[in-house]
Amino acid sequence: DAGVTQSPTHLIKTRGQQVTLRCSPKSGHDTVSWYQQALGQGPQFIFQYYEEEERQRGNFPDRFSGHQFPNYSSELNVNALLLGDSALYLCASSFTGSGNTIYFGEGSWLTVV
Amino acid sequence: QKEVEQNSGPLSVPEGAIASLNCTYSDRGSQSFFWYRQYSGKSPELIMSIYSNGDKEDGRFTAQLNKASQYVSLLIRDSQPSDSATYLCAVNPPTGANSKLTFGKGITLSVRP
Repeated sequence: DAGVTQSPTHLIKTRGQQVTLRCSPKSGHDTVSWYQQALGQGPQFIFQYYEEEERQRGNFPDRFSGHQFPNYSSELNVNALLLGDSALYLCASSFTGSGNTIYFGEGSWLTVV
Repeated sequence: QKEVEQNSGPLSVPEGAIASLNCTYSDRGSQSFFWYRQYSGKSPELIMSIYSNGDKEDGRFTAQLNKASQYVSLLIRDSQPSDSATYLCAVNPPTGANSKLTFGKGITLSVRP
């Protein structure tokens, strides 16, 4: 049973560029959440997708956008990258009604130079 | 006041000792509480969840919840060097199922052989 998978694992981008990160949820899960974890900090909630719609959003600017596909996989897009966007981006999946238990993928390390 | 606070670390204990990790939260209506372990360079891994006041034991781990004091803790008995990691406390606010998690900053535990 595959867990949550993310790609790419590492990437380097230049300020002002755009990036797309991808996530496939754990089998049987229908909800995908994205978190940003800066060095030395806990993960911060970006947004959550369920039934292909953004259901909740954290305190992140509109430069951060996402999408969920019919197969429950998801993408996170970040436009106009800033140096401060350098972080570990974590995808978490869960099943509605599972008591809020979420499982993280291995993450995508983004470095903006 | 931060939403989820973890006492400042790092915490160092000798092998075989009990490690006590503490967390307080600000939203009195919070319903679900989680402890995640994160090894350096890896993603968070769920180790305990607790929903009711009292203790919940799983092997060498015990989670304790006191909603009146807005306090949740994790005890690790017979600490092993492999327990050396950052431990993240996470709280699910009272906005329904599968809501976003709010994480503390984490506390780094070092178990000395």
